[in-house]
Amino acid sequence: QVLLQESGPGLVKPSQTLSLTCTVSGASISTAKYYWNWIRQHPGEGLEWIGRIYYSGGVYFNPSVKSRATISQDTSKNQFSLTLTSVTSADTAVYYCAREVSGPQRGDFDYWGQGALVTVSS
Amino acid sequence: SYELTQPPSVSVSPGQTATITCSGDRLGTKFASWYQQRPGQSPVLVIHQDDKRPSGIPDRFSASNSGSTATLTISGAQPADEADYYCQAWDNNVAVFGGGTKVTVL
Repeated sequence: QVLLQESGPGLVKPSQTLSLTCTVSGASISTAKYYWNWIRQHPGEGLEWIGRIYYSGGVYFNPSVKSRATISQDTSKNQFSLTLTSVTSADTAVYYCAREVSGPQRGDFDYWGQGALVTVSS
Repeated sequence: SYELTQPPSVSVSPGQTATITCSGDRLGTKFASWYQQRPGQSPVLVIHQDDKRPSGIPDRFSASNSGSTATLTISGAQPADEADYYCQAWDNNVAVFGGGTKVTVL
């Protein structure tokens, strides 16, 4: 069974850095079969894709956050992480990590974490 | 930037058919996926590659994608199907989600 679990501070001060980690069990992040993604959902709103990392370390971002976001991986712990700098209240959201099936005819998110609420407030 | 447009809400009576549309420029040339999100829960993949159901998804869920519109159909809707539904596609290496459709079964 594939499980993803987000962890990190639930409260971040404005202008500081948001850091979240996704721990994966039941699947290896070191396989070419999948991408590992971060997706967020502002309160009461829809889903927004943030970015993804591939087993090779290649990363891709939504232009809306590209200048502030970093995604990294720790294959020894089977984890990948998101950092978002210079946060504002607009970054308050539930942050999900999700597995994406790779391949030219895929690109769907088949497993999701339970989500982590991050509030940006002083 | 690429946009996917969904109706904000759809209402359906139990046992009847609900249809949710998702519109985007040349969406039919891309692969569309659909997600169900019940209140307080994480999204669940219900359709991938336009019309394929993952294991465990009831066959009352079906979908199609052609032209500029992808469509999710729930045949014989049940109270458990009451949720928000999101379409998703990729454009220029960016995953794009529709704004979501709230399906009410009453």
